[in-house]
Amino acid sequence: DAKTTQPNSMESNEEEPVHLPCNHSTISGTDYIHWYRQLPSQGPEYVIHGLTSNVNNRMASLAIAEDRKSSTLILHRATLRDAAVYYCILSRFGMNRDDKIIFGKGTRLHILP
Amino acid sequence: DSGVTQTPKHLITATGQRVTLRCSPRSGDLSVYWYQQSLDQGLQFLIQYYNGEERAKGNILERFSAQQFPDLHSELNLSSLELGDSALYFCASSGPLEGLANEQFFGPGTRLTVL
Repeated sequence: DAKTTQPNSMESNEEEPVHLPCNHSTISGTDYIHWYRQLPSQGPEYVIHGLTSNVNNRMASLAIAEDRKSSTLILHRATLRDAAVYYCILSRFGMNRDDKIIFGKGTRLHILP
Repeated sequence: DSGVTQTPKHLITATGQRVTLRCSPRSGDLSVYWYQQSLDQGLQFLIQYYNGEERAKGNILERFSAQQFPDLHSELNLSSLELGDSALYFCASSGPLEGLANEQFFGPGTRLTVL
């Protein structure tokens, strides 16, 4: 079954770029890749998602490998407010109304001032 | 504020009991998702409804059930509660389009403590 694998934790300096990796080697052709983050004492919030092409939005960029077996969330300039747990998630549309959402265990990102 | 509301905020109950958690999605959203977050298991997807119909099922126990009503609010029912059910339960909504590619908006969660 599909799953995502992420490092347990990462550290980065403030104002530097951060690259958060996710491995999803068992991804299927129609699975979307999502990233959410959870700030302390809050519910998760959407960061970005994509299917095959790299994606950019105001929060981050998502780089998807050509074979789609891995992806990287890029925060271009980390701030202290970006300290959170980042989840890499796959969503799969089921033809028989049996959709699936597969969560990774998340990467806890520490930002050093 | 995401626009998703969950009640109650906190719930304390005893083993063997049954509780109901309630979620109201953002205005216009047709999908509702339920998640469980415990210290040892992390964030786990339980179940999704779209416009009243079950669409996706995750690691939801048989003791748990959910439904989405015609006014689109949803309830998660947890029965025969065990100590291990103590967790933060999140509801999220998305829509109005069907499909899992939509951005989900999470509520503040209900903290359940089973004693």
